[in-house]
Amino acid sequence: KAGVTQTPRYLIKTRGQQVTLSCSPISGHRSVSWYQQTPGQGLQFLFEYFSETQRNKGNFPGRFSGRQFSNSRSEMNVSTLELGDSALYLCASSNLPQSSGANVLTFGAGSRLTVL
Amino acid sequence: GEDVEQSLFLSVREGDSSVINCTYTDSSSTYLYWYKQEPGAGLQLLTYIFSNMDMKQDQRLTVLLNKKDKHLSLRIADTQTGDSAIYFCAESNPLTGGFKTIFGAGTRLFVKA
Repeated sequence: KAGVTQTPRYLIKTRGQQVTLSCSPISGHRSVSWYQQTPGQGLQFLFEYFSETQRNKGNFPGRFSGRQFSNSRSEMNVSTLELGDSALYLCASSNLPQSSGANVLTFGAGSRLTVL
Repeated sequence: GEDVEQSLFLSVREGDSSVINCTYTDSSSTYLYWYKQEPGAGLQLLTYIFSNMDMKQDQRLTVLLNKKDKHLSLRIADTQTGDSAIYFCAESNPLTGGFKTIFGAGTRLFVKA
């Protein structure tokens, strides 16, 4: 079956602009998580959605937001972009609940955002 | 709060064993994971261990968990050049953290031929 699809793969924005990233999870997966990956900070948790509801949120400013649609596809939005928002944004889906309780994540290839 | 720490770099010779270490702070962590990231790709799950286990082996991979010291390690036997990648340690607790998985910064493994 198809994996997790993220679009766009690469994009360049300027400071002050906003950006919307899209994630299509594996068919049947209802949980979608977003992470920001930077060389200095590693992988930072942004938020997690399940059945169109945000259940968990990381320590990011309100400029970072997201949503999930009824078909489990998810988008994240960053407004008023700053240079420090340049990063690889990774989406991961999960087939919940797992019989073992483990949260096995399947990641997309990411959207690489460069802010100039 | 939750935190996961790893050393940033490890260099080994082809054919040797690699040991990647990780420490975590949340003593209630229930599941601990190892993911691998190859260049230009997302993360791929290698294996995970439940906190009531001490060891898990899967072909060339051995995971050791010391719950008392909150220390997790991944041993790769007979390391190959194709094992060069970034390895991430992660933890989750469905009871307290929901389905939020916390990752370390990643250990970049270099394998010299």
